[in-house]
This record gives sequence, structure tokens and C-alpha cells, in this order.
Amino acid sequence: DVKVTQSSRYLVKRTGEKVFLECVQDMDHENMFWYRQDPGLGLRLIYFSYDVKMKEKGDIPEGYSVSREKKERFSLILESASTNQTSMYLCASISRNTEAFFGQGTRLTVV
Amino acid sequence: DQQVKQNSPSLSVQEGRISILNCDYTNSMFDYFLWYKKYPAEGPTFLISISSIKDKNEDGRFTVFLNKSAKHLSLHIVPSQPGDSAVYFCAASEVEGSYIPTFGRGTSLIVHP
Repeated sequence: DVKVTQSSRYLVKRTGEKVFLECVQDMDHENMFWYRQDPGLGLRLIYFSYDVKMKEKGDIPEGYSVSREKKERFSLILESASTNQTSMYLCASISRNTEAFFGQGTRLTVV
Repeated sequence: DQQVKQNSPSLSVQEGRISILNCDYTNSMFDYFLWYKKYPAEGPTFLISISSIKDKNEDGRFTVFLNKSAKHLSLHIVPSQPGDSAVYFCAASEVEGSYIPTFGRGTSLIVHP
């Protein structure tokens, strides 16, 4: 059974903290993505990666960075968390001609 | 500017009846379309897909129709069940291009017993 695993289901962080969200996939997919989901706004792409050490900005990269040191792992970093980054964060991986597989999501609350 | 649009934020249907969820797209380069289902506090799960070389794909109670000339696709659920209550996202990608899925904003389906 294919799997995308996010390290935390729920997180509460303080404003200004540096936050790491980890994602691991076991499907040997080249491509990995980070989305955030907000009510009425759907899934918005933050960053994606085509390969190890490669990263590309998505639609809303401001305030975020990413790291992909190994093929199976894609990390999202909030350099200095702010309350407007309170959201559901979804990691996904995909290979050509397949559907995207999502992790279970991380509900982040910044207080 | 939204390239994938789901103009109905919500839909309410009686159990046993048909649910029809609609999706429009603007990018003519999209050639692969998918529907995902999402329950609260969970990640989206893949439901059904269709390639632009087809106009219909069926999987059990779920059928997706594609009208390329109108840049429109729809998901039909027959018969609808209370367990189908979820948010449904339409997504589109370019198979030979970047194949990054672009998502619509979702439609919340409620199936009443």
C-alpha cells in the first residue's frame, strides 16, 4: 500500500517560531509538493520539487522554504511563523501519468 | 486567475439520488483530469480520472464526463450515499508538460439520509 506520511497531524506554534513540517513517501516518486488548504480557497501550491535538491516556487511561496536532501523526504519550513499561516498543510507525491498521493495533512495553528 | 473552477461551493442531495459536481477549466493545455475526495482532517484521496482522449470514464457508482470543446467536466455519483458526504476537488494537469496538478476550490457534498 503506497504511502505519504506527514510527521504531525496537529501542531500549535507561537508567532515567530521556526516550524518544520516533514513529509516522507515510499513510492520512489520524483515529484513532491506542498499545498495548503483554506476554506473557500481550495488547495494552493506552496512549493514543489522535481528531484533531490531541486525546488520550485508554487503560487504562494512567501514566508516558506523547502528542503529535499533525499528523494523520499520533502520538508516545508516556516522561517518565522505568523498567524496567517494557520492552515491545513498537505504533502503530495506524484509520478508521470499517475494521480497525486497525499499525506494525512498537518493542521497547524499559530498563536 | 483560476485555471480550474468549481463554481458551486456546496451541494445537497437526498440519499439514492444522483449527485452532479461540475468543474470548468481555462487552460487548453490541460489533458488529464482528476477528482479527489476529502474528509475533514484527512488528506485528499484519488477518486477517478479521465484523459483528454476520452469523454467518459466509469468506476462503479462514479462517472466522469469530459466536454473538451466546452472545457467542462462533471462527476456523477449514482446512487448517492451518506458516506459520500465530503469535499470534492477537481484537478487538471498536463501529462507531457509540468504535470503539476492544479486544483479547484472544491465542492462540499452533503448526502442526506
